[in-house]
Amino acid sequence: GAVVSQHPSWVICKSGTSVKIECRSLDFQATTMFWYRQFPKQSLMLMATSNEGSKATYEQGVEKDKFLINHASLTLSTLTVTSAHPEDSSFYICSARDQDRVNQPQHFGDGTRLSIL
Amino acid sequence: DQQVKQNSPSLSVQEGRISILNCDYTNSMFDYFLWYKKYPAEGPTFLISISSIKDKNEDGRFTVFLNKSAKHLSLHIVPSQPGDSAVYFCAAKLGSQGNLIFGKGTKLSVKP
Repeated sequence: GAVVSQHPSWVICKSGTSVKIECRSLDFQATTMFWYRQFPKQSLMLMATSNEGSKATYEQGVEKDKFLINHASLTLSTLTVTSAHPEDSSFYICSARDQDRVNQPQHFGDGTRLSIL
Repeated sequence: DQQVKQNSPSLSVQEGRISILNCDYTNSMFDYFLWYKKYPAEGPTFLISISSIKDKNEDGRFTVFLNKSAKHLSLHIVPSQPGDSAVYFCAAKLGSQGNLIFGKGTKLSVKP
């Protein structure tokens, strides 16, 4: 079945560091990828929609200068958390939609646990 | 304001019995509903879905029921197995290109 690979799975870094998270669709092309954030015991909250070849669409309240998204190819989107601080510690999950099967459910990566010290 | 609500944060069921997970939504325009299963430190895995034109969809041990008038859907798992223990998220969307709106999830524990 369709697979979405997310890397790294866990990262611990110092406050002020920038962290890049990669999301790849392994066996399908995705013009649209999604970035979610999940706090403990909370829902998955959509942060932004990543569109291949164009600017990402950010949800209300999400700082686009803080969370940089690049979707340079049909199989790769990256999320960079710039100058991360402890409050950015969370579980980040990406999702991709198969462009040839838009009515099929989105496929999710395994998430990245980000811990900022 | 939450558009998709899962009011039970947890549910414990004996192996072999039925698990019923509930979900309510507020937007009557939602036309597609999905259930995802999530293990710790993993991303959600699609389980089953239902279109708003149907009121039931069955796939093996999993059945989803949709009551549009009540804006309520439920996931039935029967018989429940210990491997079903996970967090179950209900999600809704508007149209094929719509974004998924998730509930907060219900943690299911199936005890042997």
